[in-house]
Amino acid sequence: EPEVTQTPSHQVTQMGQEVILRCVPISNHLYFYWYRQILGQKVEFLVSFYNNEISEKSEIFDDQFSVERPDGSNFTLKIRSTKLEDSAMYFCASSEARRSGGTEAFFGQGTRLTVV
Amino acid sequence: GDSVTQMEGPVTLSEEAFLTINCTYTATGYPSLFWYVQYPGEGLQLLLKATKADDKGSNKGFEATYRKETTSFHLEKGSVQVSDSAVYFCALSDRTGSYQLTFGKGTKLSVIP
Repeated sequence: EPEVTQTPSHQVTQMGQEVILRCVPISNHLYFYWYRQILGQKVEFLVSFYNNEISEKSEIFDDQFSVERPDGSNFTLKIRSTKLEDSAMYFCASSEARRSGGTEAFFGQGTRLTVV
Repeated sequence: GDSVTQMEGPVTLSEEAFLTINCTYTATGYPSLFWYVQYPGEGLQLLLKATKADDKGSNKGFEATYRKETTSFHLEKGSVQVSDSAVYFCALSDRTGSYQLTFGKGTKLSVIP
């Protein structure tokens, strides 16, 4: 069964450093997403990506964040200068986004980012 | 904006007990509704979905019915097992924009033998 894969599973970084989280979405999907889950809190939408550009972003997704689909298979989230409050589980997801209603998103296993 | 409200947890049940996790939503459009499950140490998995009013989603013995009149999508299971212990998230996706999900806060279920 096709799945979304994320690497690494756990990343520890020092405050102020740049991190890149990587994802390989399901190959025939059209929409790609990043969500985050701070420990013990709800899953929050960060950004969606369609047709090689950002289609929507939340207020969390500020100038420190960027996304890219560099080679047609990978989908990356970059945090330029990490802060302690960026520590969270980051989930990548992809969706076919069919208007008939099959808009379910398939999630990766997540990358746990720890900023120290 | 869109929002999802779930009953607060944690919920602790004995094996074979009946489970209900309440979920209500607010949406500007006509959303699709989902329940996702997160087992300990794992990512989010789709449990079930419903895309229109009165639809019933079901999977692994869990059910939820899309009630437009009460804007609800309560999750039920007739007889829980220890392996059902997880965090359950209700979510909606509107049919405009990029179909992103809006999640509830999650309800942690613990099932004891």
